[in-house]
Amino acid sequence: DAMVIQNPRYQVTQFGKPVTLSCSQTLNHNVMYWYQQKSSQAPKLLFHYYDKDFNNEADTPDNFQSRRPNTSFCFLDIRSPGLGDAAMYLCATSREGSRFQETQYFGPGTRLLVL
Amino acid sequence: EDQVTQSPEALRLQEGESSSLNCSYTVSGLRGLFWYRQDPGKGPEFLFTLYSAGEEKEKERLKATLTKKESFLHITAPKPEDSATYLCAVQLMTTDSWGKLQFGAGTQVVVTP
Repeated sequence: DAMVIQNPRYQVTQFGKPVTLSCSQTLNHNVMYWYQQKSSQAPKLLFHYYDKDFNNEADTPDNFQSRRPNTSFCFLDIRSPGLGDAAMYLCATSREGSRFQETQYFGPGTRLLVL
Repeated sequence: EDQVTQSPEALRLQEGESSSLNCSYTVSGLRGLFWYRQDPGKGPEFLFTLYSAGEEKEKERLKATLTKKESFLHITAPKPEDSATYLCAVQLMTTDSWGKLQFGAGTQVVVTP
């Protein structure tokens, strides 16, 4: 089945220690997104890639960066995690085109714990 | 400012007790409204997309409707497996073709046997 895969599902890191989260997709979608979701809150968009074009949300901290080496993979790098960065990180994909193709499909998420 | 508000925040139902969730929005331009289901510790699962006022979509015990200012998700005769958080998201009308989603905080539904 075509899907969005995130690894690892759980990540524990230390305060200030860089961490990378991974997302891959078999849907062949050209748009990929990273969201941060804290407990009982709405998912918050951090940035997205439209093909290779990177689009950062205005309020995304500089501590968060992303890479998309090819269509299938996208990475979220947190350079110096703080305690406030503990959250669920969600990857999503969509296909650009007519509005009927723009549904975002989410992966299972990576739960990040910062000690 | 664009806003999406879901109510109630939490809903506890007996099995078989039908109810409705509300998603109200104030946005400058609506391209589409999406409903997702999210189970604890998992990513949101797509349920429905609605594009115009008067539109309705159904899937098993769920039915979504849309007006110009709000959407309802009706749960008919719910079962315990319908327990989840239901998220509403609006896709804003922008000049970009991808369309940013703005999410509500969700309604947590618990269905007891």
